[in-house]
Amino acid sequence: DIQMTQSPSSLSASVGDRVTFTCRASQNISTYLNWYQQKPGKAPKVLVYTASSLQSGVPSRFSGSGSGTDFTLTISSLQPEDFATYYCQQSYSAPITFGQGTRLEIK
Amino acid sequence: QLQLQESGPGLVKPSETLSLTCTVSGGSISSSNYYWGWIRQSPGKGLEWIGSIYYSGSTYHNPSLRSRVTLSVDTSKNQFSLTLNSVTAADTAVYYCARYDISTGFRPGYFDYWGQGTLVIVSS
Repeated sequence: DIQMTQSPSSLSASVGDRVTFTCRASQNISTYLNWYQQKPGKAPKVLVYTASSLQSGVPSRFSGSGSGTDFTLTISSLQPEDFATYYCQQSYSAPITFGQGTRLEIK
Repeated sequence: QLQLQESGPGLVKPSETLSLTCTVSGGSISSSNYYWGWIRQSPGKGLEWIGSIYYSGSTYHNPSLRSRVTLSVDTSKNQFSLTLNSVTAADTAVYYCARYDISTGFRPGYFDYWGQGTLVIVSS
């Protein structure tokens, strides 16, 4: 199985900050990496697919980059609605695996 | 707008079988562009992929659960289902059904629509 490791596990930031989340795969997954946002009591929502493609309807302050084993999700200017948990997920090979998540909290 | 809705018992006894159904509305489950999957999330934990099924019945399973999991699809009802045998307390989780978009290929796939999730508790 491909292991996905996210860092940090939690992050405190303020509205207007630029924040970056990191995801590392245990082997080369090319750009087959997706990012999801999950709010408490809700299902995850896809933000970015294939490492850098923004899902329709997702604000442009979200961006993704990376290839191979190292990936990042960046929020350019935090908004109040962005405080949530963020997960990466690899689609390179079965079994599909997710990172353990990064919880973004209000400072 | 596509919607997915999980249904099934919220309480299952240890050693028994968990059965859930996902009803898809606003779109056809028989599209060639999608797989249909199950993902679970234990309380306070991360996300675990259980398996995915194509409208033809082709399936992928997580090897960690494969021996206990059966996936099925009923295109006439626009539904797909999960059964998990011999459950234990470790199977207590919120279970989500979701659509997996493979319109640009299986490897570039991603879960683009999710159900709201249903909590299943394993307890006697």
